[in-house]
Amino acid sequence: DAGVTQSPTHLIKTRGQQVTLRCSPKSGHDTVSWYQQALGQGPQFIFQYYEEEERQRGNFPDRFSGHQFPNYSSELNVNALLLGDSALYLCASSLWGAEAFFGQGTRLTVV
Amino acid sequence: GIQVEQSPPDLILQEGANSTLRCNFSDSVNNLQWFHQNPWGQLINLFYIPSGTKQNGRLSATTVATERYSLLYISSSQTTDSGVYFCAVDYSGGGADGLTFGKGTHLIIQP
Repeated sequence: DAGVTQSPTHLIKTRGQQVTLRCSPKSGHDTVSWYQQALGQGPQFIFQYYEEEERQRGNFPDRFSGHQFPNYSSELNVNALLLGDSALYLCASSLWGAEAFFGQGTRLTVV
Repeated sequence: GIQVEQSPPDLILQEGANSTLRCNFSDSVNNLQWFHQNPWGQLINLFYIPSGTKQNGRLSATTVATERYSLLYISSSQTTDSGVYFCAVDYSGGGADGLTFGKGTHLIIQP
């Protein structure tokens, strides 16, 4: 079992650009959640996808959007990047309402 | 929303010592998880423990849901135990809101 995999592992973007991060869930899991972790802080919930629909959303602007595909993999898109978007982005997968497992993260730097 | 407080924020111990990390939460929870974040950012699952006591080797955890706290015990610490320990809770039924994390306990085990 490959566990939760994220790509890319590192990314550098320029302010104002757009970025897409990808996540493949653990085998058998149907729910994917995304989190943002700033340096020295705990992860913050962005949104959660189940059955290809956004089910819940944290306190993040509309610049953050996502998608879940029929194979349960997911993408996180961020438009009009700001310097403050620099962070570690974590993907978690689970069965609906059950224990969550995290990927290794994508470290995004906005310059 | 729910508040999650972890204590202590920082802890420095000698190899072989025992430690207790605490997590207080402000409302009823459906799920509670403990994670260890390694230096590369990966969140490693330690316990999925909405209530009761569990043990895994040198680590054990207890959650008293009625009193809204959880404890993580680490015995005979090793340098590889160093890192940040997070408590995370899901207080909405059906796993709809993702996990709310505390700010973590930064543990340093000195040889």
